[in-house]
Amino acid sequence: GAVVSQHPSWVICKSGTSVKIECRSLDFQATTMFWYRQFPKQSLMLMATSNEGSKATYEQGVEKDKFLINHASLTLSTLTVTSAHPEDSSFYICSASWDRANEQYFGPGTRLTVT
Amino acid sequence: SQQGEEDPQALSIQEGENATMNCSYKTSINNLQWYRQNSGRGLVHLILIRSNEREKHSGRLRVTLDTSKKSSSLLITASRAADTASYFCATDARGAQKLVFGQGTRLTINP
Repeated sequence: GAVVSQHPSWVICKSGTSVKIECRSLDFQATTMFWYRQFPKQSLMLMATSNEGSKATYEQGVEKDKFLINHASLTLSTLTVTSAHPEDSSFYICSASWDRANEQYFGPGTRLTVT
Repeated sequence: SQQGEEDPQALSIQEGENATMNCSYKTSINNLQWYRQNSGRGLVHLILIRSNEREKHSGRLRVTLDTSKKSSSLLITASRAADTASYFCATDARGAQKLVFGQGTRLTINP
């Protein structure tokens, strides 16, 4: 149980375009979803926390207008990278939790390459 | 930075040997977790240790936690080539739901 999927698994887009990444909890209802970014050979950095039905909470230094997060249902959160630039190329990983006990279940990640 | 430190950053050992990785963190925590990540893949949850626990075992994994030193260690015994991966510790500060990840240890097991 506790499976989280991400779509797409990888995407290549041109500079200036927008890309949407989906994160789904397949067998549980996720009250909270988290979005992380990971650059090559580095650790995961939390970008934002989203609770179903409310606005996401962004970490310091993360532009909310550039990284749009929507958590419209208990099983789906989306991250939209707007006006993507090559420096946005990274591995984006989501996680989902159904309680405040901090058991987070991670998706397989989405590799974004901006050309 | 709130990120924890892990050492070593990279570790290369022979198959069958034990591997030990260390993690230090900065704030009081509820739990500390260890994850494995194969190259270019998602995270696999290995083990969670609560702040009131000192040691926990799971198969070939042994985790210790010293809250007075704000540190934890992960021991993998009888390592296998399939254990080659990056290993991260993650902590959740008391009162906060988010996880803070350490910088990770890249473990290579040589056949």
